[in-house]
Amino acid sequence: EAGVTQFPSHSVIEKGQTVTLRCDPISGHDNLYWYRRVMGKEIKFLLHFVKESKQDESGMPNNRFLAERTGGTYSTLKVQPAELEDSGVYFCASSRTGAGYGYTFGSGTRLTVV
Amino acid sequence: KNQVEQSPQSLIILEGKNCTLQCNYTVSPFSNLRWYKQDTGRGPVSLTIMTFSENTKSNGRYTATLDADTKQSSLHITASQLSDSASYICVVSVRGNTPLVFGKGTRLSVIA
Repeated sequence: EAGVTQFPSHSVIEKGQTVTLRCDPISGHDNLYWYRRVMGKEIKFLLHFVKESKQDESGMPNNRFLAERTGGTYSTLKVQPAELEDSGVYFCASSRTGAGYGYTFGSGTRLTVV
Repeated sequence: KNQVEQSPQSLIILEGKNCTLQCNYTVSPFSNLRWYKQDTGRGPVSLTIMTFSENTKSNGRYTATLDADTKQSSLHITASQLSDSASYICVVSVRGNTPLVFGKGTRLSVIA
């Protein structure tokens, strides 16, 4: 079984530019989550998809962040325009639906805004 | 406020020695508690998951304990190996709510 794949692994962009992160979950996993770790802080929730629907987006920091999951397969997280405080590692995780199923995390995308 | 506190922040031990990492949480209502291992440049990998009724769970040389009354958990690593060097993150799930609550992790370094 292939794991959760994230692309790119690293991205360095200038303040004001746009960046799009991609996550390919494990096939058959309806749940897809985005999390973020800012330097020195704990990993924090951004949002949760069930198939193509946003189940919970309470963790999205502001309207510069836009997440999509068209067709319920892969997901993208776009940051536009990027700010310095957006730097961090963005993790994607997926899971099956039902209690007790574990999360499988991707390796993350390290975003640096300069 | 739902929080997970871990200690120590970092730890250095000699190869072959045992160690115990601590986790205190204030998450309510509690659903389950997970320990993850995160190698540098990788995503977190699950080690154990425990529900309210479970006191201990083992995964090879890793043994996690849970005291739901005091809201404390520990992760014991036996006969440490160099490959155990990583961040160990305590994560608590809130019942009826999606987001996992993460601790900041303990950075473990195992040296020869």
